Amino acid sequence: GAVVSQHPSWVICKSGTSVKIECRSLDFQATTMFWYRQFPKQSLMLMATSNEGSKATYEQGVEKDKFLINHASLTLSTLTVTSAHPEDSSFYICSARGTSGRSDTQYFGPGTRLTVL
Amino acid sequence: KQEVTQIPAALSVPEGENLVLNCSFTDSAIYNLQWFRQDPGKGLTSLLLIQSSQREQTSGRLNASLDKSSGRSTLYIAASQPGDSATYLCAAYLMDSNYQLIWGAGTKLIIKP
Repeated sequence: GAVVSQHPSWVICKSGTSVKIECRSLDFQATTMFWYRQFPKQSLMLMATSNEGSKATYEQGVEKDKFLINHASLTLSTLTVTSAHPEDSSFYICSARGTSGRSDTQYFGPGTRLTVL
Repeated sequence: KQEVTQIPAALSVPEGENLVLNCSFTDSAIYNLQWFRQDPGKGLTSLLLIQSSQREQTSGRLNASLDKSSGRSTLYIAASQPGDSATYLCAAYLMDSNYQLIWGAGTKLIIKP
């Protein structure tokens, strides 16, 4: 139980285009989802926290207009990187906290590698 | 502000040795602590979750301990194997409404055959 999927697993796009990454909780309802990014050889950096049905809370230094987060249902959150540039190339990981199983822990997706040319 | 530190940043040991990875946190008011493994270019694999009321958890050759009073957690790996080579991350859960995680920078472990 408590499986989180991400799609796509990797994406390559041209500079200036927008990319949408999906995060789904497959067997539980995720009341809270988290989006992280990870640069090579660095740890995870929390970008934003979203509770279902409300606006995401962004961490300091993360541009909310550039990284659009939608958590419209209890099983799906999306991160859209708008007008992507090479410096946005990174590994993006989502996690979910739900109402079943352990509600006090996060379950992680496998990550999405974004490369912006 | 909670900070999580992992020492050493990198460790290389011969196969078969027992080893300990360290994780320290500045604020003892954490909820749970979790150890993860990450292979190069891959996502996270949860290894062990220690609840705030527990002192240790074991899974196979892995044993994780938690001492909240001293702000320390250790991950013990017995009889290390080349397949254990990976980056090991510890993360502490804050006692906030979202159970936010604070991450260590990780220890890169290399097991030499």
